[in-house]
Amino acid sequence: TQLLEQSPQFLSIQEGENLTVYCNSSSVFSSLQWYRQEPGEGPVLLVTVVTGGEVKKLKRLTFQFGDARKDSSLHITAAQPGDTGLYLCAGDSGNEKLTFGTGTRLTIIP
Amino acid sequence: NAGVTQTPKFQVLKTGQSMTLQCAQDMNHEYMSWYRQDPGMGLRLIHYSVGAGITDQGEVPNGYNVSRSTTEDFPLRLLSAAPSQTSVYFCASSFSQGAREAFFGQGTRLTVV
Repeated sequence: TQLLEQSPQFLSIQEGENLTVYCNSSSVFSSLQWYRQEPGEGPVLLVTVVTGGEVKKLKRLTFQFGDARKDSSLHITAAQPGDTGLYLCAGDSGNEKLTFGTGTRLTIIP
Repeated sequence: NAGVTQTPKFQVLKTGQSMTLQCAQDMNHEYMSWYRQDPGMGLRLIHYSVGAGITDQGEVPNGYNVSRSTTEDFPLRLLSAAPSQTSVYFCASSFSQGAREAFFGQGTRLTVV
């Protein structure tokens, strides 16, 4: 079973601060996705990264795929209360199964 | 465009009862899947389907059955509910080709007492 470990598991910071969350695996993925999930809702796709070393930006969110395509990071600049949620990474290894990480629960304090 | 629709949103079952969680998508996606989400465990794959008439097991298939008679529908059946099946269940769909970006339903919160 391929595992995706996310860290930290919980993160609580003040509005305006910067943060980084990590998604690590010993397996290689053909692509990696980041989702955000709010209470009572299903996960919603934020971004997909495909190429090793790829960096994608979505407003204040920056996503990076590791050179070896085994890990990824999500950096949020000047966090806002609307960023609060559960962040999930998911790896596609091309075997018809999407493997999800354990999640990082982020709370932004106004 | 409804996307992925799951019913019911909440359900309470007694141990030993059976039920079917419904999932329908209107995006003509070939790939559909069922996950369960438990605290600290992330999303774990139960069953998936790459097209009508084709299903396969995921990471935690025991106690669940699926069928895929149409592209749109992918119901999940609990054969004899157990307290260990208390969880939030999500159905997802995606295209089979390219980066498999999943679209999720709103989930079904199931409690087995």
